[in-house]
Amino acid sequence: DADVTQTPRNRITKTGKRIMLECSQTKGHDRMYWYRQDPGLGLRLIYYSFDVKDINKGEISDGYSVSRQAQAKFSLSLESAIPNQTALYFCATSDSGTGISDTQYFGPGTRLTVL
Amino acid sequence: AQTVTQSQPEMSVQEAETVTLSCTYDTSESDYYLFWYKQPPSRQMILVIRQEAYKQQNATENRFSVNFQKAAKSFSLKISDSQLGDAAMYFCALTQGAQKLVFGQGTRLTINP
Repeated sequence: DADVTQTPRNRITKTGKRIMLECSQTKGHDRMYWYRQDPGLGLRLIYYSFDVKDINKGEISDGYSVSRQAQAKFSLSLESAIPNQTALYFCATSDSGTGISDTQYFGPGTRLTVL
Repeated sequence: AQTVTQSQPEMSVQEAETVTLSCTYDTSESDYYLFWYKQPPSRQMILVIRQEAYKQQNATENRFSVNFQKAAKSFSLKISDSQLGDAAMYFCALTQGAQKLVFGQGTRLTINP
């Protein structure tokens, strides 16, 4: 079973629609992250959370919001989707409680297309 | 600001040969971590190898090893005995603390049979 899961895996939507991408993890990690991948640009950080009550903006947070419903769940929302938000979205986790706290583990990704 | 640069958009190697992927980075921090991630066509991001900046010894994981040159801010990945399953995009990444990973642009590796 996958340690980090993302739903949906693929989604096509229209401009102006509200979209939620969900991430769940069974690794017991306290830190969770959302990244966006565009061709030729690598991954860029959207939001990150160190625990349920701690939410922080990344470098490209405009147009996105997040919710940390529990230690194991971290959702990303696009309130009003626009075509340039078409991308591959990754959730990642890391564990602050061990000596390898800086290693992030990724989910399988969600491919989002906004028409 | 931290930056990571991969100057080779594409590389190719014959099966069973050795290939080296280049990565340079810039950071003002003295304590940080460096990573190589692999992204096959399945698009999953898979951790290949990790290096702590305070360790002088180069990390190795089976056929994968790194050449970490801290003064030069260079972090290359060597893949020995290349296999068809090694074909993928490879990303170099840098982190300081747990706030974020900064990624390079990626290198697409093709394995020729």
